Amino acid sequence: QKEVEQNSGPLSVPEGAIASLNCTYSDRGSQSFFWYRQYSGKSPELIMFIYSNGDKEDGRFTAQLNKASQYVSLLIRDSQPSDSATYLCAVNVYSGGYQKVTFGIGTKLQVIP
Amino acid sequence: GAGVSQSPSNKVTEKGKDVELRCDPISGHTALYWYRQSLGQGLEFLIYFQGNSAPDKSGLPSDRFSAERTGGSVSTLTIQRTQQEDSAVYLCASSGGGGRGTDTQYFGPGTRLTVL
Repeated sequence: QKEVEQNSGPLSVPEGAIASLNCTYSDRGSQSFFWYRQYSGKSPELIMFIYSNGDKEDGRFTAQLNKASQYVSLLIRDSQPSDSATYLCAVNVYSGGYQKVTFGIGTKLQVIP
Repeated sequence: GAGVSQSPSNKVTEKGKDVELRCDPISGHTALYWYRQSLGQGLEFLIYFQGNSAPDKSGLPSDRFSAERTGGSVSTLTIQRTQQEDSAVYLCASSGGGGRGTDTQYFGPGTRLTVL
């Protein structure tokens, strides 16, 4: 079992729809959860981080964390063609002064005009 | 600096040559990461530095790969006797290195390595 799992996609949604991106992780000690966006040929850039169970909203983006189910998701409301990118889930375990960050393979999102 | 910088941005080398890739993290960031990303693939973790020490170098693919960090700042990734399968984009990221609240990674623009 991979430590962080994502469906590689592509996930296709029409413009204006809600895109739902999902990620599961295996380490119950995981403490920090991140969503990065990576456009083709570019470096990953942070969209959101979440530490606590529940929802965290930032503009059109909502991150959801359920530690009991070891599940984190990203919702993109009113999807735009400019949201078309690969979305990477990252999970951090921090112990003894050191971090271990694991990235998922990423989900490719295509927003169809 | 304002962000993570990497040099060179592009490197073309011949098989068997050694290459050095450089990363300048965000000022004050104690944690530094190297990743490799082949075309159309996910991020492959290579090594993590906390300060000048490397508590996790489990991702280095072979003994041809090594990395060091000096002064808690600049890091170099060295690939000896390059092979064609080493061709990829090498990404560096840094973070505050503490616990929650300081562990967001910020990525540099990457170095695109092509081994002919």
